[in-house]
Amino acid sequence: QVQLVESGGGVVQPGGSLRLSCAASRFTFSSYGMHWVRQAPGKGLEWVAFIRYDGSNKYYADSVKGRFTISRDNSRNTLYLQMNSLRAEDTAVYYCAKDPPYSSSYFDYWGQGTLVTVSS
Amino acid sequence: EIVLTQSPATLSLSPGERATLSCRASQSVSIYLAWYQQKPGQAPRLLIYDASNRATGIPARFSGSGSGTDFTLTISSLEPEDFAVYYCQQRGNWPITFGQGTRLEIK
Repeated sequence: QVQLVESGGGVVQPGGSLRLSCAASRFTFSSYGMHWVRQAPGKGLEWVAFIRYDGSNKYYADSVKGRFTISRDNSRNTLYLQMNSLRAEDTAVYYCAKDPPYSSSYFDYWGQGTLVTVSS
Repeated sequence: EIVLTQSPATLSLSPGERATLSCRASQSVSIYLAWYQQKPGQAPRLLIYDASNRATGIPARFSGSGSGTDFTLTISSLEPEDFAVYYCQQRGNWPITFGQGTRLEIK
């Protein structure tokens, strides 16, 4: 069964930085596009960023463009999200999710999420 | 950005009843729409993709329909485990967007 395990969340002050990781296993990580999706406490889902299977293309939500960077290391089966200039409105559970084999930009497997809290 | 509007916000039904959830897009997304189920404290689960295709392992009581701007998720006969929040999501245009969710609660 596909496994995605996020880490790196925590409490950070406004303007600070954090790097999230997502360790992937039990599938061929290097063959799939990957995403970050977040959910503010008690709110709905918001897509954050996408990276193509080989890292050649990346897309971002306008709300994080210029502040967040998605990357991947296929040799380590790991997805990353570098988050800079954090704001209170970035407070959320951050999920990593993978593309399904039959399409791109749906999410067929999700991690359990890691909580990021931006607060002074 | 394509805005997805889900209705109703909350749906109160009893087990065994039929549930019909709606998702309307602000512009055409063709068939590129998915539905997810989310229970408290859990990650979302993919139910339907490309408007009408059930994802792996999803029971046949879940079905999706629609194209263009109007989509429907139908649960033919509600089981106790179906009470949750449901989200639609489009991949027709960047950025990917989600609807605000429909809460399906036990009446």
